Amino acid sequence: GESVGLHLPTLSVQEGDNSIINCAYSNSASDYFIWYKQESGKGPQFIIDIRSNMDKRQGQRVTVLLNKTVKHLSLQIAATQPGDSAVYFCAEADSGGGADGLTFGKGTHLIIQP
Amino acid sequence: EAQVTQNPRYLITVTGKKLTVTCSQNMNHEYMSWYRQDPGLGLRQIYYSMNVEVTDKGDVPEGYKVSRKEKRNFPLILESPSPNQTSLYFCASGGQGGIYGYTFGSGTRLTVV
Repeated sequence: GESVGLHLPTLSVQEGDNSIINCAYSNSASDYFIWYKQESGKGPQFIIDIRSNMDKRQGQRVTVLLNKTVKHLSLQIAATQPGDSAVYFCAEADSGGGADGLTFGKGTHLIIQP
Repeated sequence: EAQVTQNPRYLITVTGKKLTVTCSQNMNHEYMSWYRQDPGLGLRQIYYSMNVEVTDKGDVPEGYKVSRKEKRNFPLILESPSPNQTSLYFCASGGQGGIYGYTFGSGTRLTVV
C-alpha cells in the first residue's frame, strides 16, 4: 500500500550545525505534507507544512523542500539547538486535504551532540 | 488555548473489560482521527471522522469503535481489549483544508494485561 518513509532512524549532529532529515513517499496522489516533532512523553507537534504546488517553504529556522519528481521531502533545521532533540515524522495527505487523516513515516530520532 | 484533550493519560486494564478513551477539541475542527503508536511501526491510523456522524476505518481498525455525535468529541471505544492493543494512543483534529496540519493530544498510554 501507499506509505511514507524516512531514510534514517537516527541522526546525530553537533550543536550549531544544520540538520537535514529526509523522507520518501510513494503515493503520487499525495497533495499535502507535514513535518512533526515529537518530544519524549508528548504528542506530535506541527512544525511546518507544504502543498504539492510548492517546492520550498520556510519557517523559523526550518525549511521544507519537496521534490515531486522523485517523491522526496526533506526538513532542514538551521543552527540546531539542544531543544531540537526529538523524533521527527513526515506525514502526507491525499488531495482531500487531510479529511481522511494522515499517513506517517516511521520517524527519525535527531540527537544533538554538545 | 487551542488544544486536543485526551483522557486518561495512563490506563492499565484487564483483558475483556470495556473501556473508553475520550477526546475533545476546542478548535471547531471538522476532522478528527485516532492513531496508535508502537515501537518500530510509527503512527498508524485507527479511525477517522470528517464531520459529525461521519466516521470511517483507518489502517488498523480491528478491535476498536468510535463515535462522533458532537463536533468536539471523538471517543475511542475498546469493547473487549486484548494485550495486543497495549499501545500509545493519540487523538488529533484538523480544520477543513488541512491548514496547519492536525493538532495532537498528549496521548494515552494503555496497558492491557
